[in-house]
Amino acid sequence: GNSVTQMEGPVTLSEEAFLTINCTYTATGYPSLFWYVQYPGEGLQLLLKATKADDKGSNKGFEATYRKETTSFHLEKGSVQVSDSAVYFCALTEPYSSASKIIFGSGTRLSIRP
Amino acid sequence: GAGVSQSPSNKVTEKGKDVELRCDPISGHTALYWYRQSLGQGLEFLIYFQGNSAPDKSGLPSDRFSAERTGGSVSTLTIQRTQQEDSAVYLCASSFVPSFLYNEQFFGPGTRLTVL
Repeated sequence: GNSVTQMEGPVTLSEEAFLTINCTYTATGYPSLFWYVQYPGEGLQLLLKATKADDKGSNKGFEATYRKETTSFHLEKGSVQVSDSAVYFCALTEPYSSASKIIFGSGTRLSIRP
Repeated sequence: GAGVSQSPSNKVTEKGKDVELRCDPISGHTALYWYRQSLGQGLEFLIYFQGNSAPDKSGLPSDRFSAERTGGSVSTLTIQRTQQEDSAVYLCASSFVPSFLYNEQFFGPGTRLTVL
């Protein structure tokens, strides 16, 4: 079945450090790929998305590129801030389905030190 | 505009009791989803409703769990004879489905259920 594997946390970085959170997926066909973020005390929200191979999703300085050849969707940010501290979930929705469930990775907790 | 709302925000119950969790989706959204977030299992899909189609119940963990969606809008997730392992945050999401290929799901704040 379809699945998502992401880097285990927690990840602790200093402010302005470079961030990479690895994510790989298993799916038949071409799923849509997402990164969701959950800030402390808040609900889950979409951070960025990519719906086809080689697409780059970006938002709030974060980027992720849909790599079909490596089945990956790694999240990157060049310079993290304390406000980026949150739990990040890599996710996919099944291809060729108009209203399908999201399959989430296990989440990576990110803490940024001032 | 209003987002997805859920009630109650917190629910504490005793083992063996029944509970009902409510979700109000974004107006006009045709698809509604329930997920569960727990320490041991991460974020897992439970059930979804799409328009008038039969719901996809493939994620429900046992027959103690059921859900309904009335009038294509509000949904209620019911857990009968609650067990301690049901303790989790229950998330609801909704989406508008204009596209065959992609839909964005908007999540509510969740209901934190604690079974004593």
